Amino acid sequence: EAGVVQSPRYKIIEKKQPVAFWCNPISGHNTLYWYLQNLGQGPELLIRYENEEAVDDSQLPKDRFSAERLKGVDSTLKIQPAELGDSAVYLCASSIRGLAPYNEQFFGPGTRLTVL
Amino acid sequence: QKEVEQNSGPLSVPEGAIASLNCTYSDRVSQSFFWYRQYSGKSPELIMSIYSNGDKEDGRFTAQLNKASQYVSLLIRDSQPSDSATYLCAVTAYSGTASKLTFGTGTRLQVTL
Repeated sequence: EAGVVQSPRYKIIEKKQPVAFWCNPISGHNTLYWYLQNLGQGPELLIRYENEEAVDDSQLPKDRFSAERLKGVDSTLKIQPAELGDSAVYLCASSIRGLAPYNEQFFGPGTRLTVL
Repeated sequence: QKEVEQNSGPLSVPEGAIASLNCTYSDRVSQSFFWYRQYSGKSPELIMSIYSNGDKEDGRFTAQLNKASQYVSLLIRDSQPSDSATYLCAVTAYSGTASKLTFGTGTRLQVTL
């Protein structure tokens, strides 16, 4: 079974430039998550999708971050414009469903973003 | 108070010894508990999940949960150098239609030869 796929793996951009990350979840997983992980910290949730619906985006900085999951499968996370403080690893995860007690989440390899 | 607390370490154990990793959580309605292993420069990998009080064993790994004490631990028997990594504790609480997985900051484990 293929795992969560993310691209690109690394991205270096100048501040104020836009950037986008792509994620394809494990086949059959209806719930998709975007996390941000800073060095020495645990992942922090940005947004959770149940199929194509964003059901928890309370931690997403909506002035510069946006996300979509149009067909309920793959997803894109965008930052525009990027700031120096956005440098981090952006992780995508998926689970079969989001509300069941047994919603084990599986992570993709992540995208390491460096903003100069 | 942090929602999920872990000692950052590093925890150093000799090869072949038992490594004991601990985690406490603050939300009493928490229902699901997970341990992830994260190698340097890699993404978190799920290694254990536990949902009820007691012990759950999987190979060299044993997860222990005590909901009354709001405490979850991970034991690694016969520790190997390849076990050297950061171990993240994660807890899910459910409230109505919302669920959230909250991570601790991780404990760095070093297994020495």
